[in-house]
Amino acid sequence: DVKVTQSSRYLVKRTGEKVFLECVQDMDHENMFWYRQDPGLGLRLIYFSYDVKMKEKGDIPEGYSVSREKKERFSLILESASTNQTSMYLCASSSPGSGANVLTFGAGSRLTVL
Amino acid sequence: KQEVTQIPAALSVPEGENLVLNCSFTDSAIYNLQWFRQDPGKGLTSLLLIQSSQREQTSGRLNASLDKSSGRSTLYIAASQPGDSATYLCAVPSSSNTGKLIFGQGTTLQVKP
Repeated sequence: DVKVTQSSRYLVKRTGEKVFLECVQDMDHENMFWYRQDPGLGLRLIYFSYDVKMKEKGDIPEGYSVSREKKERFSLILESASTNQTSMYLCASSSPGSGANVLTFGAGSRLTVL
Repeated sequence: KQEVTQIPAALSVPEGENLVLNCSFTDSAIYNLQWFRQDPGKGLTSLLLIQSSQREQTSGRLNASLDKSSGRSTLYIAASQPGDSATYLCAVPSSSNTGKLIFGQGTTLQVKP
């Protein structure tokens, strides 16, 4: 069964802390994505990557960075967490070409910044 | 800029009812449209994907239709069950085959026993 695993389901951090959200997929997918989901705003794309070492900004990249050192792993980094980054973070992956839009999502990481 | 809207935001029905969830999009030049299901506190599961050349897709008790010209899609759930209770989201690609999706805000469905 294909899987996207997000290492932390729930995190509580303090303002100013550095936060790492890890995502690993076992499907050999080239494409990986980070979305955040907020009530009333839906899902919004933060960053995505189509290959190792490659990254592109999504719609709301401010305050975030990403790392893709290995094909299976895509990390989201909050350099200095702020309260407005309290949210549900969803990682997803897909294969390129005709399957690019068929995303497999992880279970999500709910981050609370105090 | 593409916008995706889902109405209603919430829906409560008794078990056994047939129901329709609505999704509308502003730019009809879509590559495809997907319906997802999200259980509380969980990730999204893809239910159905309709290519732009298709009119509908079926999976079990679910049927999704697509009318590009009017910018609308519907998800029909037959003989609803309490296990269908979840949030249903529709999404379209921001451009062709990129995996970058634009989501509606979802319809939260409650099916009462």
